[in-house]
Amino acid sequence: QVQLQESGPGLVKPSGTLSLTCAVSGGSISSSNWWSWVRQPPGKGLEWIGEIYHSGSTNYNPSLKSRVTISVDKSKNQFSLKLSSVTAADTAVYYCASKGTDSSWYVNWGQGTLVTVSS
Amino acid sequence: EIVLTQSPATLSLSPGERATLSCRASQSVSSYLAWYQQKPGQAPRLLIYDASNRATGIPARFSGSGSGTDFTLTISSLEPEDFAVYYCQQRSNWRDTFGQGTKLEIK
Repeated sequence: QVQLQESGPGLVKPSGTLSLTCAVSGGSISSSNWWSWVRQPPGKGLEWIGEIYHSGSTNYNPSLKSRVTISVDKSKNQFSLKLSSVTAADTAVYYCASKGTDSSWYVNWGQGTLVTVSS
Repeated sequence: EIVLTQSPATLSLSPGERATLSCRASQSVSSYLAWYQQKPGQAPRLLIYDASNRATGIPARFSGSGSGTDFTLTISSLEPEDFAVYYCQQRSNWRDTFGQGTKLEIK
C-alpha cells in the first residue's frame, strides 16, 4: 500500500512561493501512476492543482497554470509542488495524492498540510 | 472545462434511512466519474469509481449509478459513520474537476 507524506513550511508570506514535497513510501514513483496535488481552503471544497507522471509529463489546472510547477525526484522517490505569487486566497490544506495504475481515480492520499499565506 | 454540480448541498437524515446524492456534469463524461467521502480532519476516501464500481473495502450499502451527465450515489441504510461530506470527481482532457460537495448530516 502506497503511503504519502507532505512536508514544507506552514506559513508563507504574500507574493512569496509556496513549496511542498510529497514523500512516497511502499511503492515506486516510477510506476504507472499520476502523482497529484489537491487543495482545500478552510471550510470549502476540493480543488485540483495538477499532476505529474514519472516520465515528467505534467497537467495543470488552467486557473493556476501560470503559477504552478510540479516536479519529480526519482532518486528520493518524491514529488514536489511550487506555487508562486501567493495571496491569502491560496491558504488551504494541501494534499498530495496518487491514482491507481492507469487509472483516473485517487486511491492514496497524504494526510494533508495546512499552508497559511500571511505576513 | 467540465463543471460538476452536486445536490443537495446539505442532506439531513437519520441513521437507518436511505440517502440519495446527485452529481450532474455540464457535458457527458460517459462513465468516468468517482465518488469520495471526507470526514472532518481527514483526507478524502475513494468510494466508487467508473460510476458504479465499489473501491476496495467499501461496504455494499454504498452504490453508484448513472452515465453521461447524471450520476447518483446511494447509501441504502445509513450508519452513524456515514455522516460526512461527499464529493464527485471526473477526468477529461487531462484535467480533473470535483463537485462542490454534499454534506450528509444527522437529522
